[in-house]
Order: sequence, then C-alpha cells, then structure tokens
Amino acid sequence: SDLTQGPAVSVASGQTVRITCRGDSLRNYYASWFQLKPGQAPKLVFYGKNNRPSGIPDRFSGSSSGDTASLTIRGAQAVDEADYYCHSRDNSDNHFVFGTGTTVTVL
Amino acid sequence: QVQLVQSGAEVKKPGASLKVSCRASGYTFTNYDINWVRQASGQGLEWMGWMNPSSGNRGYAPKFQGRVTLSTDTSRGTAYLEVSSLVSQDTAVYYCARGRKRFQEPFFYYAMDAWGRGTTVIVSS
Repeated sequence: SDLTQGPAVSVASGQTVRITCRGDSLRNYYASWFQLKPGQAPKLVFYGKNNRPSGIPDRFSGSSSGDTASLTIRGAQAVDEADYYCHSRDNSDNHFVFGTGTTVTVL
Repeated sequence: QVQLVQSGAEVKKPGASLKVSCRASGYTFTNYDINWVRQASGQGLEWMGWMNPSSGNRGYAPKFQGRVTLSTDTSRGTAYLEVSSLVSQDTAVYYCARGRKRFQEPFFYYAMDAWGRGTTVIVSS
C-alpha cells in the first residue's frame, strides 16, 4: 500500500510542526521516520509506538491513529531543516515501502 | 560502534550488471536484516529489498523482483546487492541499512537504525 505524505511544510524557528503519513498498512503496523539531508545517509529519528534512537533530541516525537502516523518536531531548529520520510510495511509482511517524503523548511 | 561500509562508486553501461557490497562490523551480523534502499537525484527514498543473513529469507519490492538479487556472506559479515540489465533510471545512490522487526503492543514495527554512507552508481553509455 502507498504511504502518502504532504510535499512540504514550513515552520518558524522555535515553533511546532507536524508531518503526517497516511496508508492502510498503518492501521496495524507502526511507522518509522527518517531525516534526510543532502549528501548524507538517512537517519532514523523515531520508530514504533514511542521510540527515539540514542542521540535524537526529545523535540522529535511520534504518534499513530487509524491509518495515519505523525512525526512532531517541537521547538523546531534550523538544523531540523531536511526531508522527512515515513517507512512501514507494504501490502505483504515481506515488503516495505517509504512515504513520498515531506520537505521541512525552518524560517 | 556499528558500521556498515559500502563499496566504492561505479559507472556502468546500459545493459550491464552491478554488484555493491556492504561490510558490517560492531554487532552480530546474523542478528539483523540487511535492507537496500536507493535514491535517484531529486527523487525520494525507494526501498528495494531485505535479507536475513541467519535464515536466508529475503523479500524484494515488486518493482525489482527478477532484476535484483540480495545475498550475504556470513563468514565475511558482508551483504551484496546485484542489479542486472541496468538502465539510465538506475542511476542513484544505493544504501544498505540494518533492520529488525519488533513487537510493541499492539503492533509490530520495523526499524532501520544504522546505514552505510551510500554507493553512487551512474549508468550511462
């Protein structure tokens, strides 16, 4: 199943921004979230029900409801400006898929 | 520390085949899957497939089924991605990433928590 994200969002520095990811598989499978900056490998920033990898600031949080997963950045900073991708199971438990990606601009 | 070290950049002609390696260190290789992901210039992330080095189980994105082969050499702690019949649209940065499926009530999740730096592949005549 496809995972659909909004293409772009902007946020004032210090404010809160939420990125959403929608797909049928999210009704019974959690999403993971990745930050992607130019020239760098993707970085896992949130996964599962409530897990943040070591070293990821606690301003990053995630949630899930129905067919929608969300990543929230509270107190966004300039360093958070990047593309964000959700990732989860596809139709088959043997396949996975990325969302379409959301560009976050911090003003 | 956990590291995934990928092989160097490649330039290929259309119709040729590609093989990229990913050498893991800093953890028990057989305890995690290896995934392959690519990103073409200006495009999004594209999941290609995964393989479990312990069981040999693997899965491919439908788009790549039949043209991509994943393998591992557990004695070397290394995973391989092979892509045949290359076309210009295969020009991209290819990443390997370790991943694992876990249950967290009430659902499962799959987390890819360590990545290689990427291998640039250019397909051009």
